[in-house]
Amino acid sequence: TQLLEQSPQFLSIQEGENLTVYCNSSSVFSSLQWYRQEPGEGPVLLVTVVTGGEVKKLKRLTFQFGDARKDSSLHITAAQPGDTGLYLCAGAVSGGYQKVTFGTGTKLQVIP
Amino acid sequence: GAGVSQSPSNKVTEKGKDVELRCDPISGHTALYWYRQSLGQGLEFLIYFQGNSAPDKSGLPSDRFSAERTGGSVSTLTIQRTQQEDSAVYLCASSLTFGTGKKLFFGSGTQLSVL
Repeated sequence: TQLLEQSPQFLSIQEGENLTVYCNSSSVFSSLQWYRQEPGEGPVLLVTVVTGGEVKKLKRLTFQFGDARKDSSLHITAAQPGDTGLYLCAGAVSGGYQKVTFGTGTKLQVIP
Repeated sequence: GAGVSQSPSNKVTEKGKDVELRCDPISGHTALYWYRQSLGQGLEFLIYFQGNSAPDKSGLPSDRFSAERTGGSVSTLTIQRTQQEDSAVYLCASSLTFGTGKKLFFGSGTQLSVL
């Protein structure tokens, strides 16, 4: 079983602050994804990283895949109320059908 | 359809009753997943379909849970003799089969409440 632990579990910050969410595992993944989920909806994909050390930017969001492909981080600069939601990392292992395992989730609240 | 459709959106049932949850994936997506989510937490894998077959059903919690997929399209998740611990949001996702880091498209889920 590939476990993905996210930290922190909850985060409440003021608008304009920066934050980082971490996703850690003892398993090696062929790819790692970040999803955001809003209440009453399913998760929506934000980004996919596949190469160790890879960094991707999506406006104010910066995603990094660890060199050993066991961990990842999501950094948000100048958080906005629209960033509020549940952030989920998800890892896929190589071989077979690439089962996608989701992390424990980080609930972010950005206060105006 | 344009997206993954799940029905019903909400289901309230009595302990011991059977329930059926439906998922209609995006047309052309051969891979289909069922996940369970409790109280805004992470997603717990239940079962994966490739076409009509289920090569990975390792996440089904007990033999009260079963799922099928017909015509490579619609899938039904059945929970027999429901228990209060079955209360959760059941999410369905579909994707194209191949490629590294394939994108999962999720439905809005079925909120199941067992009284």
